Amino acid sequence: RKEVEQDPGPFNVPEGATVAFNCTYSNSASQSFFWYRQDCRKEPKLLMSVYSSGNEDGRFTAQLNRASQYISLLIRDSKLSDSATYLCVVSMIKAAGNKLTFGGGTRVLVKP
Amino acid sequence: DAGVIQSPRHEVTEMGQEVTLRCKPISGHDYLFWYRQTMMRGLELLIYFNNNVPIDDSGMPEDRFSAKMPNASFSTLKIQPSEPRDSAVYFCASSPGATNTGELFFGEGSRLTVL
Repeated sequence: RKEVEQDPGPFNVPEGATVAFNCTYSNSASQSFFWYRQDCRKEPKLLMSVYSSGNEDGRFTAQLNRASQYISLLIRDSKLSDSATYLCVVSMIKAAGNKLTFGGGTRVLVKP
Repeated sequence: DAGVIQSPRHEVTEMGQEVTLRCKPISGHDYLFWYRQTMMRGLELLIYFNNNVPIDDSGMPEDRFSAKMPNASFSTLKIQPSEPRDSAVYFCASSPGATNTGELFFGEGSRLTVL
């Protein structure tokens, strides 16, 4: 089983609609969670952190469910520019450092 | 400010040849990461350094892969000999400290094709 799993999509979303998708992680000791965005043939970039209480950043809302070990991302009022692959990222702190584990990504296509 | 700089951006080589990928992290960042991305396996961590010291190389696929960080401003990832299955985009990333903040700064990647 992969450490971080995502529905690869694509999610085809009409412009202005809301889209939501999840990510599950296998290691209950995971401590920090993030969403990254990757445009086609570009490098990943941090979109937002995911806090236990849930958090918003403009049209983006992230939620964490530790009991069920999943993270969600919701995008409201989708824009054409939201078309990208969204990567779920999990961090586990180790004594000698830490590392981020990336999910395979969920592709979102926003269409006019 | 300059971000993470990788070279070459694209490389096409033949099986058996040596490949060297280079990375210059953001100045002042203590952590440097090498990732590999393919359609099948997604983004995989190969190795990361803290203050130029390798911390975790458990993701390095096999002995054909090696990475060095001789100083705070330069790292290399070497594949010798290369094989077609090594074809991927190799990303270097750096971060200013412990990555519990989650923010890695990625370079634009080196797209490797091994024929």
